[in-house]
Amino acid sequence: ETGVTQTPRHLVMGMTNKKSLKCEQHLGHNAMYWYKQSAKKPLELMFVYNFKEQTENNSVPSRFSPECPNSSHLFLHLHTLQPEDSALYLCASSRGRRATNEKLFFGSGTQLSVL
Amino acid sequence: AQTVTQSQPEMSVQEAETVTLSCTYDTSESDYYLFWYKQPPSRQMILVIRQEAYKQQNATENRFSVNFQKAAKSFSLKISDSQLGDAAMYFCAYRGTNFGNEKLTFGTGTRLTIIP
Repeated sequence: ETGVTQTPRHLVMGMTNKKSLKCEQHLGHNAMYWYKQSAKKPLELMFVYNFKEQTENNSVPSRFSPECPNSSHLFLHLHTLQPEDSALYLCASSRGRRATNEKLFFGSGTQLSVL
Repeated sequence: AQTVTQSQPEMSVQEAETVTLSCTYDTSESDYYLFWYKQPPSRQMILVIRQEAYKQQNATENRFSVNFQKAAKSFSLKISDSQLGDAAMYFCAYRGTNFGNEKLTFGTGTRLTIIP
């Protein structure tokens, strides 16, 4: 257990559905991240939040909408997804975004299947 | 842009033996950090070991050690006395220090199987 909790663990949704992924950390960290993990591809950084402010958006389609109401919680709102969006979505946190030697603490991810 | 290459999609090792996982990277920076993360079937990525590029000494964490060759841009992970619990996906990652390069860049991973 790394202190980062993600729910749900699995999610199946149709292309017209709206759903949200939730991430929570109780480590007192200030930076939170969303990554997408697809088979045989490197992890892709999607969004970075530092002190609740979005500091990075790696050209992610607008059908993915992040929300960070406070430093402990991070959401990823999903709507009108495509089958190619099926992947494992990982949340991570760290003390600060600019501390380059720091490790990230990851959650167990949400395995998303879009039908 | 930085890239990280793991050329071994899969590796296997006999329990109690030693295995080395390869990683190469490409960067124009002189100061950076390198990491090995482990992802077991539980899917939770866990840091195994990290190396600062300005340190010549190879990092060691118990049974895990690295062979860091800065000139060759190589960062391999050696697992000694392999145990069944070491079975996982292993990801090599790079993090720069220049502004804008601080994000972690991951390789595609190596799936390690431990043979009892």
